[in-house]
Amino acid sequence: EVQLVESGGGFVQPGGSLRLSCEASEINLYYYELDWVRQTPARGLEWVARMWGHGNQKYYVDSVWGRFSVSSDKTRNSVDLQMDSLRVEDTSVYYCRVWVREHRRDYWGPGTLVTVSS
Amino acid sequence: EVVMMQSPVTLSVSPGERVTLSCRASQSVGNNMDWYQQKPGQPPRLLIYTASNRATGFPARFSGSGSGTEFTLTIDSLQSDDLAVYFCLQFNEWPFTFGQGTKLEIK
Repeated sequence: EVQLVESGGGFVQPGGSLRLSCEASEINLYYYELDWVRQTPARGLEWVARMWGHGNQKYYVDSVWGRFSVSSDKTRNSVDLQMDSLRVEDTSVYYCRVWVREHRRDYWGPGTLVTVSS
Repeated sequence: EVVMMQSPVTLSVSPGERVTLSCRASQSVGNNMDWYQQKPGQPPRLLIYTASNRATGFPARFSGSGSGTEFTLTIDSLQSDDLAVYFCLQFNEWPFTFGQGTKLEIK
């Protein structure tokens, strides 16, 4: 079965950086759109970024524009989320997610917690 | 951005009941709208895609309808396993936006 696993979360001070990675098994991410979604109890769910596996198209929510960037690593079959200039409001659980049309379902990782605090 | 508004915020229900959840978009999103189910400690899971198509793994008691700005998720004969938070999402334009969720609780 398709599995996604995020890694790279942790604690960082405001202004710092983290790099999240989403590795996939049983699916080649090159052929799919990979999404990063974050969630907090206070702000709910927020779609952060989308990237086509081939890398030609990328979208970011305004609140992370210019600070976050997504990229793919074909050798690891992963999509990374580089997060720079982190803010307290970026504190969240970050999920990666892929919609597999031929399965008529999506797959999510278990999530990784990012905490930005001084 | 498109604002998705769900109602009610919380719904107390009994097993066997028919449940109707609503989602309203601040502008037309066509049928570019999904429903997600999230259980405690788990990521969300796609339940209904493009307004009315049931995702793999969900039984026929779940159905979605609507288009434009008004959407409905119906659960026929609610079962205890259906207790969760349900979110709507529009993907008609970027940024994709979620509703705040409707939490189903046992009455």
